[in-house]
Amino acid sequence: GAVVSQHPSWVICKSGTSVKIECRSLDFQATTMFWYRQFPKQSLMLMATSNEGSKATYEQGVEKDKFLINHASLTLSTLTVTSAHPEDSSFYICSAILGQGKYEQYFGPGTRLTVT
Amino acid sequence: GDSVTQMEGPVTLSEEAFLTINCTYTATGYPSLFWYVQYPGEGLQLLLKATKADDKGSNKGFEATYRKETTSFHLEKGSVQVSDSAVYFCALSDPGANSKLTFGKGITLSVRP
Repeated sequence: GAVVSQHPSWVICKSGTSVKIECRSLDFQATTMFWYRQFPKQSLMLMATSNEGSKATYEQGVEKDKFLINHASLTLSTLTVTSAHPEDSSFYICSAILGQGKYEQYFGPGTRLTVT
Repeated sequence: GDSVTQMEGPVTLSEEAFLTINCTYTATGYPSLFWYVQYPGEGLQLLLKATKADDKGSNKGFEATYRKETTSFHLEKGSVQVSDSAVYFCALSDPGANSKLTFGKGITLSVRP
């Protein structure tokens, strides 16, 4: 149980375009999801915390107008990278927790974004 | 703020060797501590956890003990296998931080037959 999927697993887009990444909890309802960014050979950096039905909470230094997060249902959160640039190329990972007071996060397999 | 420091990698071992991966942390409160593993091409999976001082987390032959006095959570395994080859992340969750995780940089372990 507690499976999280991401789609697509990899995407290439042109500079200036927008790309949407989906994160789904397949067998549980996730009131809270997290979005991370991982650079090569580096750690995961938390970008934002996404709560169902409310605005995402962004970490310091993350541009909320560039990285749009929507958590419209208990099983789906989306991250849209707007006006993408080559420096946005990275590995984006989402995770979800089972509910209030739960701390264990279940991670998706990640999405590799390449902006050309 | 909270931080996690892992030893520098990568680490290459022969099968059946003993493994230690060091992890130390800095936190303002009393965090929960975790080890996550990322196998090639897969997402992160929780390997083990400890929620209070002196707790020992264990799973799949791996162990780690929450040492408050040395602020450490070192990962150990007595005899590694080729299938243990992966990236290992130490992480903490501050109870006042809404389940947010702070990760170390990760370390790549390669086990050769």
